[in-house]
Amino acid sequence: DAKTTQPPSMDCAEGRAANLPCNHSTISGNEYVYWYRQIHSQGPQYIIHGLKNNETNEMASLIITEDRKSSTLILPHATLRDTAVYYCIVRVGQRGAQKLVFGQGTRLTINP
Amino acid sequence: NAGVMQNPRHLVRRRGQEARLRCSPMKGHSHVYWYRQLPEEGLKFMVYLQKENIIDESGMPKERFSAEFPKEGPSILRIQQVVRGDSAAYFCASSPPGGIQETQYFGPGTRLLVL
Repeated sequence: DAKTTQPPSMDCAEGRAANLPCNHSTISGNEYVYWYRQIHSQGPQYIIHGLKNNETNEMASLIITEDRKSSTLILPHATLRDTAVYYCIVRVGQRGAQKLVFGQGTRLTINP
Repeated sequence: NAGVMQNPRHLVRRRGQEARLRCSPMKGHSHVYWYRQLPEEGLKFMVYLQKENIIDESGMPKERFSAEFPKEGPSILRIQQVVRGDSAAYFCASSPPGGIQETQYFGPGTRLLVL
């Protein structure tokens, strides 16, 4: 199973871009990178996922390096409501076994 | 389209009682996953079910825990003879049928407190 490494905590000023890094050096060629966040013990919220191309949606952008060994989640204009624990997950398993393996994540604090 | 629904949201049980947690997947989703989050810890996978089938139960404790996803009705996570260590938040996620990389969407969770 591919492992991910994230900084335990980060701070960002409100209105600025929040850039959350993730290392996944053992990722396999057919594994996707997923990002979820958990706001104050609520259910995890899906943010975005990608394989090798950069992706963007209404919530965030995902930048994946060419060698796919690391990625960065970008929240372009962080607000106080973006304070949460952010999880970078490499999707494990083969057909029929699709569990998500959560690490410790990055605790992002948005400061006013 | 309603999201994943879980009930009850909070459940209090005394040691030795049974706990039943229910999960209704999103409309059109036929895959259900249960995860447990102990206090101050990350989420841990428990079990993955499709309709009437358990696909992966590698994260389920060997005793007292069981899960089902019947043809009709919600998925049920059942904990028999609860102990204080079962106190945790239990999250259900669902995904649609299809390819291996279908996104999982989570419910709000059930917080179980064992007295």
